[in-house]
Amino acid sequence: SQTIHQWPATLVQPVGSPLSLECTVEGTSNPNLYWYRQAAGRGLQLLFYSVGIGQISSEVPQNLSASRPQDRQFILSSKKLLLSDSGFYLCAWMANSYNSPLHFGNGTRLTVT
Amino acid sequence: QQQVKQSPQSLIVQKGGISIINCAYENTAFDYFPWYQQFPGKGPALLIAIRPDVSEKKEGRFTISFNKSAKQFSLHIMDSQPGDSATYFCAAINFNKFYFGSGTKLNVKP
Repeated sequence: SQTIHQWPATLVQPVGSPLSLECTVEGTSNPNLYWYRQAAGRGLQLLFYSVGIGQISSEVPQNLSASRPQDRQFILSSKKLLLSDSGFYLCAWMANSYNSPLHFGNGTRLTVT
Repeated sequence: QQQVKQSPQSLIVQKGGISIINCAYENTAFDYFPWYQQFPGKGPALLIAIRPDVSEKKEGRFTISFNKSAKQFSLHIMDSQPGDSATYFCAAINFNKFYFGSGTKLNVKP
């Protein structure tokens, strides 16, 4: 069966520090991969999505970036965190087929202080 | 521009009652409409989904009603239980891009 791993579960970082969140998927190949951000009590904002290795689409301008160095690995990064980067970051995957469901990881709670 | 509008923002229902959450969309290219359930500190999990060629889909106590002409769809939770207390998101999909509603926080009172 397919599983998605996301870490760390919680992270507290000072303003201006770098960020690296990692997500890996097991049990499937060539998945579409997504990064979402959820502000406290708010909806899901799509940040990045990828349909293949090295292929990244950005949905919103920001100081975050994403990379997909391997088929089932998706990384969210920042060179310098802002206070506004605080939130709940969710990685998700879906099979690369028509109208497949989206499966989410358990998220990373990021607090920028 | 919000692609999917969801209401209400929050909902309180007595145990055994019916919870109803509504969503509306504009883009007629959407062709898949899932609902997700999220518990605090966890990622959303797929609950039930419907395609636009079907007007209703039922799985246990959960039912999706879909009105293609009105571009609206809703989630009905029958016999609501305290364990159903969670945040619910509707979504619409086009070309493997998911557009989520803003979420409804459901509280089922015992």
